[in-house]
Amino acid sequence: GQQLNQSPQSMFIQEGEDVSMNCTSSSIFNTWLWYKQDPGEGPVLLIALYKAGELTSNGRLTAQFGITRKDSFLNISASIPSDVGIYFCAGQLDNNDMRFGAGTRLTVKP
Amino acid sequence: DVKVTQSSRYLVKRTGEKVFLECVQDMDHENMFWYRQDPGLGLRLIYFSYDVKMKEKGDIPEGYSVSREKKERFSLILESASTNQTSMYLCASSLRTSGSFVTQYFGPGTRLTVL
Repeated sequence: GQQLNQSPQSMFIQEGEDVSMNCTSSSIFNTWLWYKQDPGEGPVLLIALYKAGELTSNGRLTAQFGITRKDSFLNISASIPSDVGIYFCAGQLDNNDMRFGAGTRLTVKP
Repeated sequence: DVKVTQSSRYLVKRTGEKVFLECVQDMDHENMFWYRQDPGLGLRLIYFSYDVKMKEKGDIPEGYSVSREKKERFSLILESASTNQTSMYLCASSLRTSGSFVTQYFGPGTRLTVL
């Protein structure tokens, strides 16, 4: 199946810093999604992007659906300790076909 | 709120044992999914089901089977557990629509260790 390349694999930042992570694919997707997984929990949807070029915000989070439909990025502004977790990108072709990136593990130092 | 529950958070089994992982959702979703999550590999789809008694193979079905006898319940079965099946297993569910996106809701996961 299609592979999603997510980078970076991990990030160690100070509280208050901004964070950026991205996801690329060799294939196009109809929807791009960003999930966060807290330790010991399942992933929770943060942002969904439905069309190429779309820029969507959810509080301090901003994500964009690339023009080529093969990439997406997620930015977190002014990070706080509770931002710690693993962030996954996912590309969705249809209702049953969703591909995940390997995840970006974020550590925020107070 | 959608709730997806998994029968165990942590499970330790021995090689060769038959293992059942249970997942229940309370929102009348048609679709249910089983993923495994491994470091550096993200989530990989094992099986999914879009209706009772229906199942489709995902990307890594080998060594696994599933059962969906009731709409709210989707079971993952390891017929003969092996050490390379040590992993975090995540169940998810979603509505079934044609063409448009619907979110998948995840359970908390079952961390399985096979000794």
